[in-house]
Amino acid sequence: NAGVTQTPKFQVLKTGQSMTLQCAQDMNHNSMYWYRQDPGMGLRLIYYSASEGTTDKGEVPNGYNVSRLNKREFSLRLESAAPSQTSVYFCASSGSQGRNSPLHFGNGTRLTVT
Amino acid sequence: RKEVEQDPGPFNVPEGATVAFNCTYSNSASQSFFWYRQDCRKEPKLLMSVYSSGNEDGRFTAQLNRASQYISLLIRDSKLSDSATYLCVVNGDNNAGNMLTFGGGTRLMVKP
Repeated sequence: NAGVTQTPKFQVLKTGQSMTLQCAQDMNHNSMYWYRQDPGMGLRLIYYSASEGTTDKGEVPNGYNVSRLNKREFSLRLESAAPSQTSVYFCASSGSQGRNSPLHFGNGTRLTVT
Repeated sequence: RKEVEQDPGPFNVPEGATVAFNCTYSNSASQSFFWYRQDCRKEPKLLMSVYSSGNEDGRFTAQLNRASQYISLLIRDSKLSDSATYLCVVNGDNNAGNMLTFGGGTRLMVKP
């Protein structure tokens, strides 16, 4: 079972470049999320999508945009990368159990912005 | 005050030891609680949910104390393979559904 698949695994960008992180899940989950993880900061929610067709800001949305392309796919875009966006990015999904639904994570994308 | 707080550790324990972590949360309306495990440079993985009455899964026991707003994780008979960071996760009370808040994690190192 693939679960949650993220691409790419690694990326190096120069300041001002743009890129899109891709995420897909095959568990028929309604909700999808993008987190970033920085040393000493824990995981922080960037954006989430509670269901197909909806997206909402999380704790740290500035500098990012998202698209819920369909039920399976949720992409994260950096329009103009900044060194402060150097981080590890995780996509996650959860099922339809509402607040009792645990998250299933992808393998992460390690992004460095120089 | 952070919404979810954990002692970052590291907790260094010998194999076979019993170790316990606590996690405090600030939102009294929180309804769902989880412990995740994260290995170095890997994604977090669900270890166990935490139920109101407490629950056990093999060597792992989770407890919830709503009055004092904390959850705990007890690991008995520690194994080398238990070395990881343990993340406390709490569901926030929001109208948009399942929005989870993560603690910063507690690092456990089990030594031979």
